[in-house]
Amino acid sequence: GQSLEQPSEVTAVEGAIVQINCTYQTSGFYGLSWYQQHDGGAPTFLSYNALDGLEETGRFSSFLSRSDSYGYLLLQELQMKDSASYFCAADGYGNKLVFGAGTILRVKS
Amino acid sequence: DTAVSQTPKYLVTQMGNDKSIKCEQNLGHDTMYWYKQDSKKFLKIMFSYNNKELIINETVPNRFSPKSPDKAHLNLHINSLELGDSAVYFCASSPQGNEQFFGPGTRLTVL
Repeated sequence: GQSLEQPSEVTAVEGAIVQINCTYQTSGFYGLSWYQQHDGGAPTFLSYNALDGLEETGRFSSFLSRSDSYGYLLLQELQMKDSASYFCAADGYGNKLVFGAGTILRVKS
Repeated sequence: DTAVSQTPKYLVTQMGNDKSIKCEQNLGHDTMYWYKQDSKKFLKIMFSYNNKELIINETVPNRFSPKSPDKAHLNLHINSLELGDSAVYFCASSPQGNEQFFGPGTRLTVL
């Protein structure tokens, strides 16, 4: 089976940097994805790491360490619109995604 | 030009009824999924189809039956609805890859 752990809530101020961690336990693992979901909205894809290291996409970066079964999402220059839930998801056989419970990010002015 | 669409957006029904949710994607993807998101926002895969063939069937009551008439459509039929079925159901699709594209969701409320 697979399970993922991430913090339930994180609060930060506008303009700051925030890191959301994710640890996983899995019997089959191809990579780690991150999704953003605003209240009442659908999850939207942010990033995917198949290999160890950092992937950067604009203000967002994602990191993976397979040896530590650990990854994180880094959000820079936080904006109010970044307030949302963020999910890490382990990618397994058949493109099956197993999601973590989600981290609510609250950005304050 | 909607990528993944679902109907209806809201569904309110009585316990014991049978209902269907429809999903269509116009992205040309081979794989489609159904997810259930509960009130605590926990998102769990239910089914996955690849080119109309069932690939993933999680531990879901057999009251839930997916049907894929073609690779652009994946519908979900639910028999004998129960209170615990109340949730948001998301359809998603993906190409040969890792990014999944989610539909807007169907909020099901069972009374």
